[in-house]
Amino acid sequence: AQRVTQPEKLLSVFKGAPVELKCNYSYSGSPELFWYVQYSRQRLQLLLRHISRESIKGFTADLNKGETSFHLKKPFAQEEDSAMYYCALRGGSTLGRLYFGRGTQLTVWP
Amino acid sequence: EAGVTQSPTHLIKTRGQQATLRCSPISGHTSVYWYQQALGLGLQFLLWYDEGEERNRGNFPPRFSGRQFPNYSSELNVNALELEDSALYLCASSWDREETQYFGPGTRLLVL
Repeated sequence: AQRVTQPEKLLSVFKGAPVELKCNYSYSGSPELFWYVQYSRQRLQLLLRHISRESIKGFTADLNKGETSFHLKKPFAQEEDSAMYYCALRGGSTLGRLYFGRGTQLTVWP
Repeated sequence: EAGVTQSPTHLIKTRGQQATLRCSPISGHTSVYWYQQALGLGLQFLLWYDEGEERNRGNFPPRFSGRQFPNYSSELNVNALELEDSALYLCASSWDREETQYFGPGTRLLVL
């Protein structure tokens, strides 16, 4: 069964510090992984997807199939990065639907 | 480009009533997805419509149903409302099932 786990509900860092939001998944096939972000009073929006292999707003994420992880990283956090981050998975016979983790609330302190 | 729109923004119903939520996808998108975001439960997949057909359904009872119209807009109907149906209902759309899903602002349903 597909499952996405984000072990941290809350994460706080200071501005300029590195940040890593963890995401682990369980899936028997080749999944497609995403990070979505929701800023305060805004809609959920795509931050990045693993197949595009690009950096958005300084964030990167590498799919590690051996560890079944897709952690989101940024070397220097900014206050405007404070938001709710969701990791999501899509794949296989359930292509179309996304499985979401429960989210990590990131707070970046000045 | 206009994003996904949903109406109403808020809806208050009493237990046992029916609720109808509406979604208009981004122009050109044929797939519409519905998710429920209940407090403490995260985002749960409800339904996926593509080209007017229901393609996939999440683990929800049959009183959750919907449809997609010829213009690709969609309705989510929830019958016999229960208190635990109180949640934010998000609609998303995409070009097809392999493309990025773009989300609407949601409809917040409160069941009293």
